[in-house]
Amino acid sequence: QSVLTQPPSASGTPGQSVTISCSGNSSNIGSNDVYWYQQLPGTAPKLLIYKNDKRPSGVPDRFSASKSGTSASLAISGLRSEDEAEYYCAAWDDRLKGLFGGGTKVTVL
Amino acid sequence: VQLVQSGAELRKPGASVNVSCKASGYTFTAYFIHWVRQAPGQGLEWMGWINPHGGGTNYAQKFQGRVTMTRDTSTKTVYMALSSLRSDDTAVYYCARGVGFYLGFWGQGTLVAVSS
Repeated sequence: QSVLTQPPSASGTPGQSVTISCSGNSSNIGSNDVYWYQQLPGTAPKLLIYKNDKRPSGVPDRFSASKSGTSASLAISGLRSEDEAEYYCAAWDDRLKGLFGGGTKVTVL
Repeated sequence: VQLVQSGAELRKPGASVNVSCKASGYTFTAYFIHWVRQAPGQGLEWMGWINPHGGGTNYAQKFQGRVTMTRDTSTKTVYMALSSLRSDDTAVYYCARGVGFYLGFWGQGTLVAVSS
């Protein structure tokens, strides 16, 4: 059971938008930045969002994220088939131990 | 930037394993190396980090006493040793270069299988 809670699945048709939530508490998300990772099947994770809402170079602006209080969310707009993947939120806790959410599998219908 | 990990390992319960992660393409001592594992069909699990500059470490509570992360600056290689292996340690183990939780570069992963 992950300390950071994500829905196990989300889905949408091509062109639609999908939002994934990540819920924590005051000891993790409430006091530290949130990161998001995308993992395509059979590959290593890839950084998608850092420091709550910033995109590394090369990440399409279809991906956006926000944080409010002890929760965060990742939004994918203009859903494409290549977005079908597992998405993980991550954050430090107040003892500087790393935490990952349980992951959300996004399916493009 | 490249992180190249050692090959798959098969161990018996109770044994130890040592996975290596060789870095290239950047200043080795400038970035922490994190280890993250993923059991079959499961999510990501953070294990800890090592600071190649000085060798300081920070381990997840779950692995304290069983994991040891070390580095060799002469070969730009980081090692993750896990002892007292159990079947639920079967997983793909990844190393990743990090600034905070900004894990921008990952190794290819190393499968460690624990079976009698």
